[in-house]
Amino acid sequence: SAVISQKPSRDICQRGTSLTIQCQVDSQVTMMFWYRQQPGQSLTLIATANQGSEATYESGFVIDKFPISRPNLTFSTLTVSNMSPEDSSIYLCSVVSRTSGLYNEQFFGPGTRLTVL
Amino acid sequence: AQSVTQLDSHVSVSEGTPVLLRCNYSSSYSPSLFWYVQHPNKGLQLLLKYTSAATLVKGINGFEAEFKKSETSFHLTKPSAHMSDAAEYFCVVSDPRTGRRALTFGSGTRLQVQP
Repeated sequence: SAVISQKPSRDICQRGTSLTIQCQVDSQVTMMFWYRQQPGQSLTLIATANQGSEATYESGFVIDKFPISRPNLTFSTLTVSNMSPEDSSIYLCSVVSRTSGLYNEQFFGPGTRLTVL
Repeated sequence: AQSVTQLDSHVSVSEGTPVLLRCNYSSSYSPSLFWYVQHPNKGLQLLLKYTSAATLVKGINGFEAEFKKSETSFHLTKPSAHMSDAAEYFCVVSDPRTGRRALTFGSGTRLQVQP
């Protein structure tokens, strides 16, 4: 399995500001994803982070609000822009490792707990 | 399109009694199915996965799940609950053969274990 770290683990931010979350994996992975978990809710996919090209966003999420970078096979960032209290959530990155094969087993980072005041 | 329905938002059991968390799925193809667990203030941990090799899947911590295609179900069970099992459980579906590698999560079931 892959070991995934996220920074920061938590943050409290003021509305209107932006926060960049980092996701680092200890081995090369085939795919990386970003999810959001709103308070008391399940996980919702934000986007697929594509290495060397623009991320693929799910319906309801846009690049201007959630810009994503993935400069190499082990690192990605998610920025939450122009934040409002509705952005208060846990943000998680996940990866599909090279050993997952067809079955798409994913490993998750510990998450970043964001509170927007 | 793929989806999962977790039939119970909350389940409460006594320590030492069996656990049953119910999940039904919908998928155009033969899916991959997973159960993940999330303990309070902890990350998501994979409990077990179904990948068509065997319909009864054994996972960590004594959990197992049975894939029933005729019922489109993938219920999670454990013979005897432990206090440490109290957590949120997510049933998850994926079918990479559709070209979509991301996971679709159910709404979650919160398991309470009473002493």
